Amino acid sequence: AQSVSQHNHHVILSEAASLELGCNYSYGGTVNLFWYVQYPGQHLQLLLKYFSGDPLVKGIKGFEAEFIKSKFSFNLRKPSVQWSDTAEYFCAVNAGPGGSYIPTFGRGTSLIVHP
Amino acid sequence: DAGVTQSPTHLIKTRGQQVTLRCSPKSGHDTVSWYQQALGQGPQFIFQYYEEEERQRGNFPDRFSGHQFPNYSSELNVNALLLGDSALYLCASSPEPGQGAHEQYFGPGTRLTVT
Repeated sequence: AQSVSQHNHHVILSEAASLELGCNYSYGGTVNLFWYVQYPGQHLQLLLKYFSGDPLVKGIKGFEAEFIKSKFSFNLRKPSVQWSDTAEYFCAVNAGPGGSYIPTFGRGTSLIVHP
Repeated sequence: DAGVTQSPTHLIKTRGQQVTLRCSPKSGHDTVSWYQQALGQGPQFIFQYYEEEERQRGNFPDRFSGHQFPNYSSELNVNALLLGDSALYLCASSPEPGQGAHEQYFGPGTRLTVT
């Protein structure tokens, strides 16, 4: 069965610091990759996604992620965080056909940005 | 444009009871997925409904069942509740299953507490 690991469970940064959140998955076949974000008091929403093509994906609010197939990784980055980036971040993988396209989420990373 | 809605917001049940949670998908979406999110964990996939049939199922016992209606809304039923079923239950919709390639739009969730 596929699994998703998010290495950093809690991250605390100051505004303007750079961010990188790690995400590794276990499935070796075709994958669809996502980062979702949950701002305080809001629903889970999509930050960015990768299906195919350019492995460097740009999302909303200045976030980007790079798919490195050889490392089974899909790390999330932002060059300069803002206080408003304080949220819970989830990496998700949808693998198939062997994975039957069952979505698997990581346990999440809580990011706190101090002003 | 209404997003994904869920009811009720909160629910308290006793062990052994049964519960029904409801979800209306985002306008234009016909695929509904249900997730269980325990405290401090990422969402865990329960099952997905499309064309009123269960298409995919995660690793959950038969006590968890669902239904999708012709208007695409869905119900999640849990029988013989256990203390471990206490969690946030999320509903997500997407425009057709799309072999896992579509982003999912999440509702606010139903917080179930089993005592």
